Amino acid sequence: GDSVTQMEGPVTLSEEAFLTINCTYTATGYPSLFWYVQYPGEGLQLLLKATKADDKGSNKGFEATYRKETTSFHLEKGSVQVSDSAVYFCALTGRGAGNQFYFGTGTSLTVIP
Amino acid sequence: NAGVTQTPKFQVLKTGQSMTLQCAQDMNHNSMYWYRQDPGMGLRLIYYSASEGTTDKGEVPNGYNVSRLNKREFSLRLESAAPSQTSVYFCASSASGGLKFALHFGNGTRLTVT
Repeated sequence: GDSVTQMEGPVTLSEEAFLTINCTYTATGYPSLFWYVQYPGEGLQLLLKATKADDKGSNKGFEATYRKETTSFHLEKGSVQVSDSAVYFCALTGRGAGNQFYFGTGTSLTVIP
Repeated sequence: NAGVTQTPKFQVLKTGQSMTLQCAQDMNHNSMYWYRQDPGMGLRLIYYSASEGTTDKGEVPNGYNVSRLNKREFSLRLESAAPSQTSVYFCASSASGGLKFALHFGNGTRLTVT
């Protein structure tokens, strides 16, 4: 079945460091891919998405490129800020019944000044 | 701009008690979902409703029931709560059944069963 695997956390970075959070997926056909962010005490918010191969999603300095050949959708940011501290979830929508969303287990990021 | 509203925000139940978690969205979305979030396990789908009048089981439906009351509202009921149901519950909605449309989440209900 469809699934998402993302890198284990937690990740701790200094402010202005480069961020990469790895995400790979298994799916039949051509899923859409998403990154969500969850701040403490809140629900998940959409960060960016890509709906077809080679698409690049971007938002708030974060980027991810849909790579069908490596079944990956890695999240990157060139210079993280303290305010980026949160839990990040990779997700996909497959073509199963109800077009369900499948989530990774989340990666906790802490940025220290 | 309310988006997805969940009530209550916090709840403590004793084993065997029942309760209903309420969810409403004001975005005219067709599809609605209930997830639970547990440490180290990410989000797991309990039930979903692809459109008004339909509901289907997700990955972890045992111990839960749902009602799609109308297009706006989708409730989750625990008939006899168990400690294993201690979790954070999220309701979400989307304009259609996925693919190009993202999920919009509520802020969650933190449930403790003692």
